[in-house]
Amino acid sequence: TQLLEQSPQFLSIQEGENLTVYCNSSSVFSSLQWYRQEPGEGPVLLVTVVTGGEVKKLKRLTFQFGDARKDSSLHITAAQPGDTGLYLCAGVKTNAGKSTFGDGTTLTVKP
Amino acid sequence: GAVVSQHPSRVICKSGTSVKIECRSLDFQATTMFWYRQFPKKSLMLMATSNEGSKATYEQGVEKDKFLINHASLTLSTLTVTSAHPEDSSFYICSARVPRAGQRYNEQFFGPGTRLTVL
Repeated sequence: TQLLEQSPQFLSIQEGENLTVYCNSSSVFSSLQWYRQEPGEGPVLLVTVVTGGEVKKLKRLTFQFGDARKDSSLHITAAQPGDTGLYLCAGVKTNAGKSTFGDGTTLTVKP
Repeated sequence: GAVVSQHPSRVICKSGTSVKIECRSLDFQATTMFWYRQFPKKSLMLMATSNEGSKATYEQGVEKDKFLINHASLTLSTLTVTSAHPEDSSFYICSARVPRAGQRYNEQFFGPGTRLTVL
C-alpha cells in the first residue's frame, strides 16, 4: 500500500496550459516537500510546506498543503517545455526523520 | 546551493562482484545521508538512513549484508553492493539532509545518481 498517492501518474499537455498534480494520504505529515527530477539526474527540492492550509508560490508554481496536513497540490500556470520532468511529493511524519515519497507524476509539456 | 556528488555515475560489472558507490557533500557537513533505489519511471524507494559515526538504519526488506553502508565522515557515505546480481541493476541515488532542516523538515539535497548494470 502506497502511503502517498499522486495523481495523475502521467500528464502530457501543450505549452501554455495549466495543470494540477495531487498528492494524497490518510496519514498526517509534519511537513511535505515537492521535488522535480529530470531523466538521469537526482531530484531537486522545489518547496517545503509545513502549516495546514499553507500556500506557497514559486514563479508559475503554486503549492498548497491541506488543512489537515494529509494532502498537497501543485498547480502550474502556463506550462512551459522546461517544466517537463518527474514531480515527486515527499512527506515527513513527526519524529520519523525520513521521507516517504509519492509514486510520482511524469509531466510532458509539448512546445 | 549545496552540492552532493556521486561516483561513479555509471558502472557495469559482472555477476558476483562487489561495487562501491560514493556519496559526498561538497560544501557542507552532512550528519545524515540517505540511500535510495529507483526503478525506471518509478518513485524513490528508501533503502537506508546513514548517520555519521553510527550504524545505518535499514528499511524493512533491505538486506544489510547485501548493501553495506559506511558513513565514516561528515562529508562521505558509501554504499557497497556485495556479490551483485542482475536483479540489483538499478539507479541508486544518495541524498544529504539539509543541515538547517532537521528531522521535521528532512529537506534533502540529492546526488545525480549512479546507474548500476550487473551482467
